[in-house]
Amino acid sequence: AQSVTQPDIHITVSEGASLELRCNYSYGATPYLFWYVQSPGQGLQLLLKYFSGDTLVQGIKGFEAEFKRSQSSFNLRKPSVHWSDAAEYFCAVGAGFIPKIIFGKGTRLHILP
Amino acid sequence: DADVTQTPRNRITKTGKRIMLECSQTKGHDRMYWYRQDPGLGLRLIYYSFDVKDINKGEISDGYSVSRQAQAKFSLSLESAIPNQTALYFCATSERTGSEAFFGQGTRLTVV
Repeated sequence: AQSVTQPDIHITVSEGASLELRCNYSYGATPYLFWYVQSPGQGLQLLLKYFSGDTLVQGIKGFEAEFKRSQSSFNLRKPSVHWSDAAEYFCAVGAGFIPKIIFGKGTRLHILP
Repeated sequence: DADVTQTPRNRITKTGKRIMLECSQTKGHDRMYWYRQDPGLGLRLIYYSFDVKDINKGEISDGYSVSRQAQAKFSLSLESAIPNQTALYFCATSERTGSEAFFGQGTRLTVV
């Protein structure tokens, strides 16, 4: 069955430091991959997506993610975090023939001043 | 205006009451979804609909029902609310199966 694993429930980084959030998926074919962000009291906003092509994808707010088929991973990165990046981040996988997007359980990002 | 609008945004209801959460969208998408979010559990799919005549159960449909009144409207009902249905509920749409979902702002439901 398809699944998404985000190994880190909480991550704390200092403002200005680099960030990497991990995501591993289980899927039998090349999936569609997504990262969403949820700020407190808000809905989910799409940061970036991968369908095919270049394995390094750029998103909004300075985020990027790299699809590594050999590692079944789609890690999210940002070179320098800002206090406004404090939020919960969800990795998700979809495909053309499964009816839903499957979400990981989320990683909550805390930013130290 | 938001592309996906949920009403109400917050609701407190009593055990045993019937409650309806509403969702409307202006994206023009055929596919609509209801998810439930609980701390530490991520988002779990309750129901999904590919058009007004196609409604399907998700992974946690027990205790819930839905109605697709039009392409733009998809309502979720709790026939007899219970406390463990206290959660944050999201409506979402997508253009096609597997493509990115667009979410409403969520409805925070508390059952007391």
